[in-house]
Amino acid sequence: GQNIDQPTEMTATEGAIVQINCTYQTSGFNGLFWYQQHAGEAPTFLSYNVLDGLEEKGRFSSFLSRSKGYSYLLLKELQMKDSASYLCAAPDSNYQLIWGAGTKLIIKP
Amino acid sequence: EAQVTQNPRYLITVTGKKLTVTCSQNMNHEYMSWYRQDPGLGLRQIYYSMNVEVTDKGDVPEGYKVSRKEKRNFPLILESPSPNQTSLYFCASRRQGANEKLFFGSGTQLSVL
Repeated sequence: GQNIDQPTEMTATEGAIVQINCTYQTSGFNGLFWYQQHAGEAPTFLSYNVLDGLEEKGRFSSFLSRSKGYSYLLLKELQMKDSASYLCAAPDSNYQLIWGAGTKLIIKP
Repeated sequence: EAQVTQNPRYLITVTGKKLTVTCSQNMNHEYMSWYRQDPGLGLRQIYYSMNVEVTDKGDVPEGYKVSRKEKRNFPLILESPSPNQTSLYFCASRRQGANEKLFFGSGTQLSVL
């Protein structure tokens, strides 16, 4: 079947680094997305990976390993505004996104 | 400003009373989609549309209807709402291509009593 798994909740300290993992099982592979969703708001796009490796975008980086069905989102120099849910998603064979349940990231001062 | 406009933001209704949630995008996107989001679950797709007059069922289409008569609009219709349709709903759009990012509306919190 098709499935995306990510931890339910993580806690980190302001200024630190946190890694949010995502494992996926999809029929075929058409890339993997990360979205950020603040409480009560809409998801917003963070990154898209289709090739193996790390892609860096400012304080946020995203990594993909297609052979392992694994991705992570790396957030550096954490700020209080990074408190949000982080959603992992991948297209299925019909190119429709399958979503993980999201990882709620709590930042403590 | 490029955006997806979704209305209303909040809606409380009673079982069986037909309602429509509107969604409009100004980016000339071919693809539009409706999702519902419930605590502990990922976004679940209700219906999607690849272009005008083309709609397809997502994972949870029961109890919902959609139409795509114009490129910019993609309303979600609940003909006879039930309490299990209480949820947070999002409309989204993107250009054609599975690698294209989604743009989301601000969401509609629906409560069916």
